[in-house]
Amino acid sequence: GENVEQHPSTLSVQEGDSAVIKCTYSDSASNYFPWYKQELGKGPQLIIDIRSNVGEKKDQRIAVTLNKTAKHFSLHITETQPEDSAVYFCAASIPKNTGFQKLVFGTGTRLLVSP
Amino acid sequence: KAGVTQTPRYLIKTRGQQVTLSCSPISGHRSVSWYQQTPGQGLQFLFEYFSETQRNKGNFPGRFSGRQFSNSRSEMNVSTLELGDSALYLCASSLAGLFSRVTNEKLFFGSGTQLSVL
Repeated sequence: GENVEQHPSTLSVQEGDSAVIKCTYSDSASNYFPWYKQELGKGPQLIIDIRSNVGEKKDQRIAVTLNKTAKHFSLHITETQPEDSAVYFCAASIPKNTGFQKLVFGTGTRLLVSP
Repeated sequence: KAGVTQTPRYLIKTRGQQVTLSCSPISGHRSVSWYQQTPGQGLQFLFEYFSETQRNKGNFPGRFSGRQFSNSRSEMNVSTLELGDSALYLCASSLAGLFSRVTNEKLFFGSGTQLSVL
């Protein structure tokens, strides 16, 4: 199948805490995993991505980890700030036998950071 | 560099009508893909256009169609609107498109068109 499961659907944290969002994919051929942040009234914006040949990637307060054996990947946000409040989507890119890719999205996590 | 522009931002239609949404990609991007976003289903892929050709299509009925012009601008049309078509419609542009041999092609989304069908 071509599913991406994302948990939790909502996440509330206090400012300064860490937040972790987890995704599981079904197709072992998936080779690219982007994360998007969607703020109210805006479209999703790419915040970090990782390729299947890398186990971890960091960008300031944001990091993504990938476990290919377990077929799951996670977004980690440290020292959360109120402006981190948004909906976060994970996605997995699956190569097809046509030579093209298909991007499948998770169902989203609403993160609320309280001051 | 200007981002992805979608017009209009909001639309209200009634059942049975048809609607056309517009998307202008980032300059130089030749791929435009369309997604439907609803609270229950998340982001669902509609179709992708590259150099005026539809390269791939999601699992939506034939009432959903699109096209791309020579300047890479794209339009999406929905005919015979149903209540269930109410959603945020997003377009995303990229250089070569998801459907390419580049395994980490980045998508840039517009702010979407919020369609309400009454």
